[in-house]
Amino acid sequence: EVQLVESGGGLVQPGGSLRLSCAASGFTFSNFWMSWVRQAPGKGLEWVANINKDGSEKYYVDSVKGRFTISRDNTKNSLYLQMFSLRGDDTAVYYCARWNVAYDYWGQGSLVTVSP
Amino acid sequence: EIVLTQSPGTLSLSPGERATLSCRASQSVSNNYLAWYQQKPGQAPRVLIYGASSRAPGIPDRFSGSGSGTDFTLTISRLEPEDFALYYCQRYGSSPWTFGQGTKVEIK
Repeated sequence: EVQLVESGGGLVQPGGSLRLSCAASGFTFSNFWMSWVRQAPGKGLEWVANINKDGSEKYYVDSVKGRFTISRDNTKNSLYLQMFSLRGDDTAVYYCARWNVAYDYWGQGSLVTVSP
Repeated sequence: EIVLTQSPGTLSLSPGERATLSCRASQSVSNNYLAWYQQKPGQAPRVLIYGASSRAPGIPDRFSGSGSGTDFTLTISRLEPEDFALYYCQRYGSSPWTFGQGTKVEIK
């Protein structure tokens, strides 16, 4: 059974940092592109970042470029999102998702709250 | 950046009725790289349609996608109680992979 389990969310002050992790199981992790998608409270979905199978290609939405870094460790079947210089508008549930012609599997989400 | 605009914002219908959801792109979507997702409260989204018209595994055939270029449609032929939810379109293939703002299908 495919599972994606996020962790690392929480309350952080503006300007602070946080690292999200996503533990993958039930499939060959290194065979798939992976992504982070976020959803602010009561709002729609926003694509945040993609990473290719071996981690050599990374893409970001403009609003997080230079502040967020997506990475993966295929030996640990894990996806990461390192977030720096966090702002109030980064408050959201962050989902990791597997890309397979669409986002076919999603985690349950990890809430990040940026507040003084 | 390609912007996706979904309409209507809210669709009020009764079970058994047909739902037609629109997703319009500000520029042509190459290769029909357009997906549709359903999201229920407190849950992660679920993919319904990819490639504009291909149903994802396990999705009932009452869900269908159509369109090309800049105009895409998700049709639910006969609404079941479990279909009342939020629906998002998404464009993919080249960065940024944008989502539409969503259409809520609510019980009339």
